[in-house]
Amino acid sequence: EAEVAQSPRYKITEKSQAVAFWCDPISGHATLYWYRQILGQGPELLVQFQDESVVDDSQLPKDRFSAERLKGVDSTLKIQPAELGDSAMYLCASSLGGGGANEQFFGPGTRLTVL
Amino acid sequence: GQNIDQPTEMTATEGAIVQINCTYQTSGFNGLFWYQQHAGEAPTFLSYNVLDGLEEKGRFSSFLSRSKGYSYLLLKELQMKDSASYLCAVKSSTGYSTLTFGKGTMLLVSP
Repeated sequence: EAEVAQSPRYKITEKSQAVAFWCDPISGHATLYWYRQILGQGPELLVQFQDESVVDDSQLPKDRFSAERLKGVDSTLKIQPAELGDSAMYLCASSLGGGGANEQFFGPGTRLTVL
Repeated sequence: GQNIDQPTEMTATEGAIVQINCTYQTSGFNGLFWYQQHAGEAPTFLSYNVLDGLEEKGRFSSFLSRSKGYSYLLLKELQMKDSASYLCAVKSSTGYSTLTFGKGTMLLVSP
């Protein structure tokens, strides 16, 4: 069964350092999402791609976060510099399209701890 | 914008039935999803409702009333493995159909 792949699964870093997360969506899925989930909360959308284009990054802290999906397949989310408040689970999801009943499939996530 | 409310925690006994409610306020509605999330794992899809009424899928059912901004997830014949967080998520009808999640309801099933 096709799955969304993410790496690394766990990342520990010190504040002010740079971190990067990678996501490989299910083959053929045009829409890719990055979410941040703080313990005890629901996932919060950071950025949504349609193919290689960003279609929603309204909640992305652009002064320190960046995301790209250069060839419309896999994607990278970067934080520079990391802050203590960035400690969270970062989830990647993909779907065939953005609208209607298109179910989002989630990867296993990257748990980030900033010390 | 979207506002989604669901209870923080619920407890139930193995074999019982539990109903998890979700109310929402939205500027544009294009469907409601329920996801299950076990501790430390990714959310997995349970159900999707876009029309009023009940959708049944095995032990799980989901109900939607668009006029009331209300949904519930019904879990029957509870099993220990159903202990998890249940996330209600509303899809917007504007823009690129952003999915907004509630904070989740932590369900604890006891023997």
